[in-house]
Amino acid sequence: QKEVEQDPGPLSVPEGAIVSLNCTYSNSAFQYFMWYRQYSRKGPELLMYTYSSGNKEDGRFTAQVDKSSKYISLFIRDSQPSDSATYLCAMNSGGYQKVTFGTGTKLQVIP
Amino acid sequence: DAGITQSPRHKVTETGTPVTLRCHQTENHRYMYWYRQDPGHGLRLIHYSYGVKDTDKGEVSDGYSVSRSKTEDFLLTLESATSSQTSVYFCAISGGTNEQFFGPGTRLTVL
Repeated sequence: QKEVEQDPGPLSVPEGAIVSLNCTYSNSAFQYFMWYRQYSRKGPELLMYTYSSGNKEDGRFTAQVDKSSKYISLFIRDSQPSDSATYLCAMNSGGYQKVTFGTGTKLQVIP
Repeated sequence: DAGITQSPRHKVTETGTPVTLRCHQTENHRYMYWYRQDPGHGLRLIHYSYGVKDTDKGEVSDGYSVSRSKTEDFLLTLESATSSQTSVYFCAISGGTNEQFFGPGTRLTVL
């Protein structure tokens, strides 16, 4: 079993929809949680960064962490075609060492 | 891409030849990482560096070596390339927080 599980999709939604992207994990030591966005043939770009449980909002994006359920989510409101990308969750227990990534969910927002 | 460049961006080589990929940063960050990204596996850590001449192995280090003689440069060497090393290689940097910033990637094909 992988430490981090992420549905690969693809997920296809109409423009303006609310998108929910999710990851589950098994390592209870994880404290830091990140979401990256990766456009085709580009490097991953850090989108959201949260510590421990709770919510964090940045514009149309909301990251949610539920440590009791070992479940994290990224919500995208009013989705745009420019949001079409692969979204990677990532997490670690702190420090500069290993960050564990999910395999990514491919999102397509249809105009 | 957060002041990170990778070279070459594309390379085709033959089995058994040595290959060196270069990562260069202008952020003066202490930590540097090499990942490979493959379908179904996501990002996997090959090697990382926590300072000049200080490096350590990641989860998929077999067949790879690294060197860091200057803060700004981190080299990844495939001593004798194999077809299983065909992949997209990403360099990442970190200033000591859990956030990592990625370069644009190198697409390597081993024939």
